[in-house]
Amino acid sequence: EPEVTQTPSHQVTQMGQEVILRCVPISNHLYFYWYRQILGQKVEFLVSFYNNEISEKSEIFDDQFSVERPDGSNFTLKIRSTKLEDSAMYFCARTPFGAPGGKLFFGSGTQLSVL
Amino acid sequence: SQQGEEDPQALSIQEGENATMNCSYKTSINNLQWYRQNSGRGLVHLILIRSNEREKHSGRLRVTLDTSKKSSSLLITASRAADTASYFCATMAGANSKLTFGKGITLSVRP
Repeated sequence: EPEVTQTPSHQVTQMGQEVILRCVPISNHLYFYWYRQILGQKVEFLVSFYNNEISEKSEIFDDQFSVERPDGSNFTLKIRSTKLEDSAMYFCARTPFGAPGGKLFFGSGTQLSVL
Repeated sequence: SQQGEEDPQALSIQEGENATMNCSYKTSINNLQWYRQNSGRGLVHLILIRSNEREKHSGRLRVTLDTSKKSSSLLITASRAADTASYFCATMAGANSKLTFGKGITLSVRP
């Protein structure tokens, strides 16, 4: 199956700035996920997105976060006003073709550094 | 609640030896999965075992699941230096729900 592509691979931003992380998971998939991993810590669920709507979100996913699929292909995670503690690796993931409830394919991640 | 707590946190073995990693969880699950992560890279799915299965094999990997004890183990046989990575167990409570990851196990295989 095709890989999940994430851009950029690295993003450096100043505290308080907005960042948009992008994922190209292939257009005809319905289930997408964002996870993050703070350096040396566990992989944390942020949000799942089903049929162009948020399906589930964690406590981390507060009003500073939003997800969109603006053009039917790219899947974006926006952080409106970044904080130092948002520094982490952010992973996009998708289910296999038409098969939710199973394994996930992860992208290679975007390393976000908030200064 | 935390799910997928692995042990040990770190494991160092000699090439050719077997590596056994354990995972415990707290709530009911639909399936349990193991992922691998090389340093600074994304997570790669290794194997999935459903709640009604007890054992599964894939190449040099063997995973077991004991739902009565809420635990799973991943065995890598005849380890290689290239197996050096972090390994995570992850649980899925429902068919369409999120994956919840543990903290991971760092495996070092010495050549």
